[in-house]
Amino acid sequence: DAGITQSPRHKVTETGTPVTLRCHQTENHRYMYWYRQDPGHGLRLIHYSYGVKDTDKGEVSDGYSVSRSKTEDFLLTLESATSSQTSVYFCAISEARTQGSTDTQYFGPGTRLTVL
Amino acid sequence: AQKVTQAQTEISVVEKEDVTLDCVYETRDTTYYLFWYKQPPSGELVFLIRRNSFDEQNEISGRYSWNFQKSTSSFNFTITASQVVDSAVYFCALSSYNQGGKLIFGQGTELSVKP
Repeated sequence: DAGITQSPRHKVTETGTPVTLRCHQTENHRYMYWYRQDPGHGLRLIHYSYGVKDTDKGEVSDGYSVSRSKTEDFLLTLESATSSQTSVYFCAISEARTQGSTDTQYFGPGTRLTVL
Repeated sequence: AQKVTQAQTEISVVEKEDVTLDCVYETRDTTYYLFWYKQPPSGELVFLIRRNSFDEQNEISGRYSWNFQKSTSSFNFTITASQVVDSAVYFCALSSYNQGGKLIFGQGTELSVKP
């Protein structure tokens, strides 16, 4: 199994509070991704990173920001959480040797976030 | 635009039956990759297979097999002699070089295998 951990695994927070989710990898993979999973939508890409300090938006990026200061860590921040951001968040990594590569993505265990 | 459609939201079978999960995709790219992932009740996402657009050969891995047909833009997944442990949500996904390798997921098919 790919060495990917996510923290916290569960979080309950209130509307308007900031929340940061952490993804940590031990594989030294270049690409890291944040997805959210909601019923009826499968998984949708929020943001991704193709290297330290290199990030880009995905399909559902509004209300989220990311940072990657080290290869092994990719942080997802909800600046002011809303109830619509209640979801399960998955981090993924990919070796992706060149930009635009389509290597397999391996997923972390997920974080269940509830915004009241 | 790229799209993946899994028309079967839920499937229920009895153990030992064969079951096929359908996946239809849309892309204008000529180089692309198709994936299947399994999400068991415990919630993690498990990678099953990756197939590139230039390889239409069917693949078999134990009780699992995949049928890739470019003519119908389909990448179907068959489980032979299903078992209770196969109960999970299965996702089909698409990525392409021109889209930066981003994964586009279908909505998933929930398979329930009853003893």
